[in-house]
Amino acid sequence: NAGVTQTPKFQVLKTGQSMTLQCAQDMNHNSMYWYRQDPGMGLRLIYYSASEGTTDKGEVPNGYNVSRLNKREFSLRLESAAPSQTSVYFCASSRGSGVYEQYFGPGTRLTVT
Amino acid sequence: TQLLEQSPQFLSIQEGENLTVYCNSSSVFSSLQWYRQEPGEGPVLLVTVVTGGEVKKLKRLTFQFGDARKDSSLHITAAQPGDTGLYLCAGAGGGSNYKLTFGKGTLLTVNP
Repeated sequence: NAGVTQTPKFQVLKTGQSMTLQCAQDMNHNSMYWYRQDPGMGLRLIYYSASEGTTDKGEVPNGYNVSRLNKREFSLRLESAAPSQTSVYFCASSRGSGVYEQYFGPGTRLTVT
Repeated sequence: TQLLEQSPQFLSIQEGENLTVYCNSSSVFSSLQWYRQEPGEGPVLLVTVVTGGEVKKLKRLTFQFGDARKDSSLHITAAQPGDTGLYLCAGAGGGSNYKLTFGKGTLLTVNP
């Protein structure tokens, strides 16, 4: 039982390049989330998926797209990376939305030069 | 927009000392969660408080939810180096609000 897995763990991109961050959970959770964490800014929600087949914008969605591929997988795509997207990205999942505990992956450290 | 303010932002203490971390908001939350995050890892849930005035204990950690469900505190007794980490509070809104709102966190360092 791996919980929430994320790939890659580290990535360096040049400005304008694109990439997809992958996330998978094996807990049969309905809801999945993508956050970014920056020093002094806490965790900010980028996108979330309350259930399979639905996605919604969070607090900072600009420059990102997501796909809920199936119940297990939720990917985050940067179409044209910018230095402002340098951050640590966390994927999380929960049984349902709101009050339920969120389980986090180990994070992806992304640097855009 | 619901905001959660955490204080202090940084806290460095000696092993054996007691400390309290605060999480405050002007908004009412249906529940509040506390997470701890260690370097290089994702946050891990410590506790969820749901009822106004609720107090929960987890070994040396005591969590309290304010009567009005707008604030919460985390008290650690006799801190140990293993308590070092980033403590995050997160509030869940009521009704159709599916998201958690995270505070910016308190970075605790417990020196041996």
